[in-house]
Amino acid sequence: DAGVIQSPRHEVTEMGQEVTLRCKPISGHNSLFWYRQTMMRGLELLIYFNNNVPIDDSGMPEDRFSAKMPNASFSTLKIQPSEPRDSAVYFCASMMDRSSYEQYFGPGTRLTVT
Amino acid sequence: DAKTTQPPSMDCAEGRAANLPCNHSTISGNEYVYWYRQIHSQGPQYIIHGLKNNETNEMASLIITEDRKSSTLILPHATLRDTAVYYCIVRAYSGAGSYQLTFGKGTKLSVIP
Repeated sequence: DAGVIQSPRHEVTEMGQEVTLRCKPISGHNSLFWYRQTMMRGLELLIYFNNNVPIDDSGMPEDRFSAKMPNASFSTLKIQPSEPRDSAVYFCASMMDRSSYEQYFGPGTRLTVT
Repeated sequence: DAKTTQPPSMDCAEGRAANLPCNHSTISGNEYVYWYRQIHSQGPQYIIHGLKNNETNEMASLIITEDRKSSTLILPHATLRDTAVYYCIVRAYSGAGSYQLTFGKGTKLSVIP
């Protein structure tokens, strides 16, 4: 299995631009998580999905952030418009089901907003 | 979820056992102790979890005190590749929010040659 796949691995964009991060979870996993990691705030949960349905988006910073999961094998995290304070590493993770103990993390997308 | 307290950093000589402590004095009866680690520039990786009993797998051992207020992750023979930030997380197995992992600052373990 290829594990959780994220793209792009690195993204550099200018303030005000739209940014879309992509995630392909492990096949057969029905829970998907988006995290953000910065030096100041550490690793924070932004949103998670179960069976493609958003369960808790209380970690999403503001309306500029949105996430979708149109099917079991794909999710996006969009920032529009982007700001320099959005610069961070964004991780996607997936988990098999409610009874699982282990979340599998992707390699992350390093976003830099100038 | 219960709060955890870990030392910010530790050193360990290569080949020796690394013992990483974690305090979780407010843990409740249905909360598990999880350990993850994050090697530089990678996503976090699951290591082990436990409820009451000590646990061992191919990566590590987890020792939980009888009152469950603290635990220790043991890497029996640390290698340079074990240099990472280690996170101790307490999480309920079921109920609202049971999926979520709340990461603290963790312990930065440096394995010294």
